[in-house]
Formats: sequence, structure tokens, C-alpha cells
Amino acid sequence: DAGVIQSPRHEVTEMGQEVTLRCKPISGHDYLFWYRQTMMRGLELLIYFNNNVPIDDSGMPEDRFSAKMPNASFSTLKIQPSEPRDSAVYFCASRRGGGNQPQHFGDGTRLSIL
Amino acid sequence: AQSVAQPEDQVNVAEGNPLTVKCTYSVSGNPYLFWYVQYPNRGLQFLLKYITGDNLVKGSYGFEAEFNKSQTSFHLKKPSALVSDSALYFCAVVLYNQGGKLIFGQGTELSVKP
Repeated sequence: DAGVIQSPRHEVTEMGQEVTLRCKPISGHDYLFWYRQTMMRGLELLIYFNNNVPIDDSGMPEDRFSAKMPNASFSTLKIQPSEPRDSAVYFCASRRGGGNQPQHFGDGTRLSIL
Repeated sequence: AQSVAQPEDQVNVAEGNPLTVKCTYSVSGNPYLFWYVQYPNRGLQFLLKYITGDNLVKGSYGFEAEFNKSQTSFHLKKPSALVSDSALYFCAVVLYNQGGKLIFGQGTELSVKP
């Protein structure tokens, strides 16, 4: 079975540009999570969806960040405008069912904002 | 506040020796606990979980973890370390009153030398 698929794997762009990260969860999974990983702050949950509906976006750092899940097989995380401090690895994860089930992670998007 | 702590940033062991990676938690109620492993440039991979039942949980790649309610700990163990076990290990606790969100520890870098 295919795992969680993220694209692009690497993104380098200049400050002020719009960045869109993409995620395809595992088929049949009803939860989707977006995380950010940095050396300083570790692994942070940004937002999660249940059945395509955003449930908790309290981790989204600023209004510059937005996330959508238009259907069960696709989600985007957008940063507009981007800033150097947004540089990090962004992970998407999906899960089938409740909190006693493991989350399955993609291999991440390494984002560098110059 | 609900939290999870990994007191060691790095653990060094010789190949063939037993290894322990420590984790303590603070949650209200009965915890759901997970261990994940992250290899370089990859996403987190599920190793094992404790939900209920036997305090000794067995997982992937020969790893096991012992749940200790009185010490609020969930240490990861392996009887004989391999060089290929070298990676970053994360302990996580589920906030099951918040949609099953995971709170991660800061991670422990395990280095196994030949």
C-alpha cells in the first residue's frame, strides 16, 4: 500500500513568495495532520482535519498560514507571504480512526526561505 | 499541563549491548503512549504503542517498551542494539479529549557504534 505522499520534497524560494505544500493521505484514513519540525522547537502540530473538516488550527502560527482539505485524498498547506523563519521540514500524517491508532507520516517537505 | 519528556538528548551504546531510551509523561487519566523512530530525511515511523493491558509492549525491529504507571514512565528498550538502530526516537502521548492529538517529546538521538 502507498504511504502518505508529500510534494515537493524540497522547496527553496525567496521571502515574500507564496508556498504551497501538498499531501495525499493513505486511502481510507479519516484524520489528517500537518506538523512542522525545527531544531529549536521540535515537532509542532499545526492543524488537523477529521473527514476533511478542520478541527483544531490552534497551532497555526500566523494568518500567513492556511490549510485546506477539499476532499479525502488531498490537502494543502499554504504560506503567503513566506518569511525566512518559516524554514523547516513540514510533515503530513494520516490516521484511520481514534487516538489509539498510530499516525502514518509522509517523508516531509524541506522548505527553505531565502 | 499534559506533557511528555525525554530527559536525554543523546544516548550512545555499543553494538550488541542493551539500549534504553527514557520517556516520562504527565497526563490526566489513563495515557495512550507511542514510540516513533525517524531516520535521516524521512518521516516518523510507528514503533509501538501502549493503550491498555500488559505493561510490556513489543513492537517493530525487536523493540519493546515498559509502561510504569507509578513512575509515569514508558521507556523504550532493546536487548541487543544494532548500528542500524541509530536514529532519532520520539515518545508521544495522546490527548484523547482533544481528538487524539499527539504531544511529542523533544526526541532522543540514539547512536550505536560498532
